[in-house]
Amino acid sequence: EAGVTQSPTHLIKTRGQQATLRCSPISGHTSVYWYQQALGLGLQFLLWYDEGEERNRGNFPPRFSGRQFPNYSSELNVNALELEDSALYLCASSGSRDRARANYGYTFGSGTRLTVV
Amino acid sequence: DQQVKQNSPSLSVQEGRISILNCDYTNSMFDYFLWYKKYPAEGPTFLISISSIKDKNEDGRFTVFLNKSAKHLSLHIVPSQPGDSAVYFCAAIPTGTASKLTFGTGTRLQVTL
Repeated sequence: EAGVTQSPTHLIKTRGQQATLRCSPISGHTSVYWYQQALGLGLQFLLWYDEGEERNRGNFPPRFSGRQFPNYSSELNVNALELEDSALYLCASSGSRDRARANYGYTFGSGTRLTVV
Repeated sequence: DQQVKQNSPSLSVQEGRISILNCDYTNSMFDYFLWYKKYPAEGPTFLISISSIKDKNEDGRFTVFLNKSAKHLSLHIVPSQPGDSAVYFCAAIPTGTASKLTFGTGTRLQVTL
């Protein structure tokens, strides 16, 4: 079974540009979560998509946005990049909302390392 | 507002000894807790979990203890091995339907020879 895949693995952008990060969940998983891990910080929740809808949003500015496609893959967009957006962006997937516990939480991808220069 | 806290950013333990990683939470609605392990350049991987109806869960060398009254959980690794060197995150889910995991800031464990 393929795990959660994220692309690209590394991304370098200049300040003010836009970045698009992609995530493919485990087959059968309908929920996708995005987290940011900045240097020295824990995993900060960004966005949660389930069944194509945004279910919850973390404390991030509106220039962080995303969507979930009918095949449950997801995209995270970061507009007007700032230097402090440099971080590891992790995507995770889980089964339906009611089964996340039985699935032992999330399965994470390896992340996209975004560097803003 | 950090609802899940790991106050020790790092921990160094000798191989063969016990590693104890601690986690505190403030939200009484959390009723399911998980520990994840993360190596550099990889995503976190699930390690062990515990429901709030239990106070202990064991899986091989890993044991998680939950003290609900103190809103505290700990992960014990016995015996510690060099391959255990990683960053450990505790995470929590609130009561009810599944929701987003809230993670702590992580503790970097180094197991020395």
